[in-house]
Amino acid sequence: AQSVTQLGSHVSVSEGALVLLRCNYSSSVPPYLFWYVQYPNQGLQLLLKYTSAATLVKGINGFEAEFKKSETSFHLTKPSAHMSDAAEYFCAVSDHKFSGGYNKLIFGAGTRLAVHP
Amino acid sequence: KAGVTQTPRYLIKTRGQQVTLSCSPISGHRSVSWYQQTPGQGLQFLFEYFSETQRNKGNFPGRFSGRQFSNSRSEMNVSTLELGDSALYLCASSLVAGPEEKLFFGSGTQLSVL
Repeated sequence: AQSVTQLGSHVSVSEGALVLLRCNYSSSVPPYLFWYVQYPNQGLQLLLKYTSAATLVKGINGFEAEFKKSETSFHLTKPSAHMSDAAEYFCAVSDHKFSGGYNKLIFGAGTRLAVHP
Repeated sequence: KAGVTQTPRYLIKTRGQQVTLSCSPISGHRSVSWYQQTPGQGLQFLFEYFSETQRNKGNFPGRFSGRQFSNSRSEMNVSTLELGDSALYLCASSLVAGPEEKLFFGSGTQLSVL
């Protein structure tokens, strides 16, 4: 069965600093991995996804993530944090069968990112 | 193009009542899935519908049910409400049903059970 672990429920960075949000996954099949962001009182918005095309995935708002099979990791990074990046970030893995065709995401517990001046 | 619309935005119910939540997907999207979000359990998958058929169901009791209509709009129903059902219920839609598909989420319905 697939699962996701996000290390650190809260991360605080200074504006302009590197953002690093950690995600490790467990999957019995080649995984599809996602990062979603949730702003207060809103639904989730996709930042980026890994579907085996490339190990370094670039997303919206300057975020990127690198898939490392040997480390079973999919950490999210951004070189320079903005105040507007303050939100909750969720890593997710698709719970799929190799020949399946349905949508079901297994989410991590989330990491709340705070950005201070 | 309008996003995923969920109604109502807020609901207050008492224990034992039932509730129906509505979700209108993005035009043309045929897959609708539902998630429950709570501070303690995080985001948990409830069920997914594609072309009016429930394709997958999460680990929730039978009090939680749903359906999808021919226009892809979906409803979920919770009967005999319990305090622990208080949560943000999120609906998501996608063009097709596939493990790599991008989900578009609505803003959710915040349900409070008193």
